[in-house]
Amino acid sequence: QSALTQPPSVSGSPGQSIILSCTGISSDVGSYNLVSWYQQHPGKAPKLMIFEGTRRPSGVSNRFSGSKSGNTASLTISGLQAEDEADYYCCSYAGSSSWVFGGGTKLTVL
Amino acid sequence: QVQLVQSGAEVKKPGSSVKVSCEASRGTFSNYALNWVRQAPGQGLEWMGGIIPIFGTAKYAQKFQGRVTITMDESTSTGYMEMSSLESKDTAVYYCARASVVTRHFDYWGQGTLVTVSS
Repeated sequence: QSALTQPPSVSGSPGQSIILSCTGISSDVGSYNLVSWYQQHPGKAPKLMIFEGTRRPSGVSNRFSGSKSGNTASLTISGLQAEDEADYYCCSYAGSSSWVFGGGTKLTVL
Repeated sequence: QVQLVQSGAEVKKPGSSVKVSCEASRGTFSNYALNWVRQAPGQGLEWMGGIIPIFGTAKYAQKFQGRVTITMDESTSTGYMEMSSLESKDTAVYYCARASVVTRHFDYWGQGTLVTVSS
């Protein structure tokens, strides 16, 4: 199973909106509405931000939203804030109790 | 509140084995799977495998098949990941994570265990 494709880095200014992309194939992202997104700050464990493609866990800011089209999922962060600077990973269920992660995107808030 | 508490850092010689534990409060894995994810220094997350305790059968990523064993002691709500034939490239932080068997996302993570493989 190959890793999902994410851009290595994205940057934005405070207050802006940015979109992080995550491209898979028909047997993972394309087959299931089961993409999740994780935020990871340096030295910390990943934190769930979006699940089932579009749903936000309790406690996650509504500035974070998810979507999917075909084999590509996206995470939109609106009203960018300094604390959003982190690594972001997408993950898709790939069937038969297996998962695949993306390579991660480093978000820099300018 | 769900908490996954992992065992401490390990330093191992090449060719040896390591066993990392992940302790949870009772009932944490009812209708959930225990999974293991690793992260090499400066690299991304990599799914290694998982187990659904009520079924007892583990599933592994092809890359780790035959070298990793994932088990669960339901009496103590403790999960284990054992890796054999360690190489320097296995140096990484190993995380346990709980996954919903319905919505298939990792909702709670352990704090991570650094395994260093060095001669």
